[in-house]
Amino acid sequence: AQSVTQPDIHITVSEGASLELRCNYSYGATPYLFWYVQSPGQGLQLLLKYFSGDTLVQGIKGFEAEFKRSQSSFNLRKPSVHWSDAAEYFCAVGFTTGFQKLVFGTGTRLLVSP
Amino acid sequence: EAGVAQSPRYKIIEKRQSVAFWCNPISGHATLYWYQQILGQGPKLLIQFQNNGVVDDSQLPKDRFSAERLKGVDSTLKIQPAKLEDSAVYLCASSLDPGSPLHFGNGTRLTVT
Repeated sequence: AQSVTQPDIHITVSEGASLELRCNYSYGATPYLFWYVQSPGQGLQLLLKYFSGDTLVQGIKGFEAEFKRSQSSFNLRKPSVHWSDAAEYFCAVGFTTGFQKLVFGTGTRLLVSP
Repeated sequence: EAGVAQSPRYKIIEKRQSVAFWCNPISGHATLYWYQQILGQGPKLLIQFQNNGVVDDSQLPKDRFSAERLKGVDSTLKIQPAKLEDSAVYLCASSLDPGSPLHFGNGTRLTVT
C-alpha cells in the first residue's frame, strides 16, 4: 500500500543550528513529493515540491529538500534554523497527478531552543 | 488576494448532534478540497470538487458525512450524526485547477463530547 513515514514525532534544534527532517515513502514509481508547514491554529503552507528533474529542490524560507530514489526519501533541510521556524512539518506524496490525492505523513513538530 | 475562508473556527457539539462547516475558496479557484486532520495525524482527504462536481469522495464516510458545492464556489461539509471519533480539524483547500498548488484555510476545530 502507498504510505508516507515521518519517523520523528518531535525534534528540538538550537537556534542557528542546521536541521534535517526525514520523510520516507512506499510506492512502486516516482511520486510527486511535497513539504508543508503548519503553524499553530493555521492552515498548511507549501514549502517546496518535487515533480521531476533536479533532485535537489529549493523552497521558501531557506528550506531545501533532496529526493533520493534509492532510499525512497525526501528529507527537508535548512542550514540555520530561526526561532520562527518552530511549527509542524508535513511530508506529503501525490500518487496520481500533481497535487491531487495527497497522502500526508503524521508530521514532525519542530521546537527551536534559544 | 484574500485567502481561503472557513467558519466557524471552533465548534463543540455532543455526539449524535449535527454540524456544518462552511468554506469560501479563493476567487477563481475551480478545485476545492476538504481534509480531516485528527490530532497527531496528517490531514486526510475527504472529498475533492472540480467546480460543482465531485472528483473524489472515496474516503468520505457517506453514512454520516455529506458535502456540496452547489454553485461551484462556496462549499459546506456536514456531519450527521456526529461521533466522538469525528473530533478533528477540518481543513478546506482550493486551487486554480487539479495540477496547481493547494491553498489551505485555517480550519474548523470540531470537538464532539
